[in-house]
Amino acid sequence: QKEVEQNSGPLSVPEGAIASLNCTYSDRGSQSFFWYRQYSGKSPELIMFIYSNGDKEDGRFTAQLNKASQYVSLLIRDSQPSDSATYLCAVIRDSGGSNYKLTFGKGTLLTVNP
Amino acid sequence: NAGVTQTPKFQVLKTGQSMTLQCAQDMNHNSMYWYRQDPGMGLRLIYYSASEGTTDKGEVPNGYNVSRLNKREFSLRLESAAPSQTSVYFCASSEAFGVTAYEQYFGPGTRLTVT
Repeated sequence: QKEVEQNSGPLSVPEGAIASLNCTYSDRGSQSFFWYRQYSGKSPELIMFIYSNGDKEDGRFTAQLNKASQYVSLLIRDSQPSDSATYLCAVIRDSGGSNYKLTFGKGTLLTVNP
Repeated sequence: NAGVTQTPKFQVLKTGQSMTLQCAQDMNHNSMYWYRQDPGMGLRLIYYSASEGTTDKGEVPNGYNVSRLNKREFSLRLESAAPSQTSVYFCASSEAFGVTAYEQYFGPGTRLTVT
């Protein structure tokens, strides 16, 4: 089982709809979770981070974390064509010393159609 | 503020050649990272430096070395390039390290081709 899994997509949604992006992880000791957006040919940029179970909202974005089920999701409300990008899920486990593990998923390509 | 800068932007090497990728940040961040990104493989951590004077291996360190020259600069060296090292390389920095490193700022990337 891959450590961080995402559906590669493409996920296609119409403008104005809710886009739902999912990520599962295998390491139960994972502590913090991140969503990055990467436009084609560009570098990743942070959208959301979440540490605790539940929902975290920031504008049109909501991150959801369920540690018991080992998944984290990102909801994008009122999707815009400018949201079309690859979304990367990242997971950190830090057990101290040199036991730091940061793992990215392969990303989900989102296309928002006007 | 330039943020995170990387040089060069593009590079073509022949197998066996060596080169150093340079990275600098002007945000006074403590931690810096090197990643590679390959199609279908996502971002993979090569090395990181939690603070000035320390470096540690990430997920894919073989074939690479790093130097944390000072707080601003973190270089990645390929001693003997191989075609398997053809990739896009990103440098990143963050104010804090570990689970609280909630935002990593990425440089624009270096596209490296090894023939």
